[in-house]
Amino acid sequence: EVQLVESGGGLVQPGGSLRLSCAASGFTFSSYEMNWVRQAPGKGLEWVSYISSSGSTIYYADSVKGRFTISRDNAKNSLYLQMNSLRAEDTAVYYCAREAAAGTFLFFDYWGQGTLVTVSS
Amino acid sequence: DIQMTQSPSSLSASVGDRVTITCRASQSISSYLNWYQQKPGKAPKLLIYAASSLQSGVPSRFSGSGSGTDFTLTISSLQPEDFATYYCQQSYSTPHSFGQGTKLEIK
Repeated sequence: EVQLVESGGGLVQPGGSLRLSCAASGFTFSSYEMNWVRQAPGKGLEWVSYISSSGSTIYYADSVKGRFTISRDNAKNSLYLQMNSLRAEDTAVYYCAREAAAGTFLFFDYWGQGTLVTVSS
Repeated sequence: DIQMTQSPSSLSASVGDRVTITCRASQSISSYLNWYQQKPGKAPKLLIYAASSLQSGVPSRFSGSGSGTDFTLTISSLQPEDFATYYCQQSYSTPHSFGQGTKLEIK
């Protein structure tokens, strides 16, 4: 059974840092691209970052570029999001999501349960 | 970046109704369109990918159509468990942006 379990969320002051983790199991982690998606309280979904299966290709949303760093450790079946210079508007539930493909069509077929990040003084 | 716009933002319907949600892309995205369902406090769940392909395990009352810039998600006969928020997402280009969501409520 595919499982994605996020951890590392919590309360942090503006300007602070936090590192999120996503532990994957039930599939060959090193074969899949992964993403982080966030959802501010009462708001919609916002894609945050992407990392290729090898880690060689990375993308960020403009809203987090220069502040967040995505990484992965395929030996540990884990995905990470290092979040620096946090702002109030980064407050959200953060989901890790597996990216699957059917030919050239890409989609997020499995999601974790999410971890809440609250940025507040 | 490609902008995705859903309509309506909210919708009230009854069990057994046929419901259609629309998603429009700011430029042509061919069939690179996915639909997700999200229930309160839960992670999104993939329903449809490639505009019209039903994800494994999703009931056949859900269907998707469209290409280019205009897409629809149709629920043929609403069930109690279908009351949720629905999001479209384009996977034509990065960032793989989402629509703002359509909240489907019980009438």
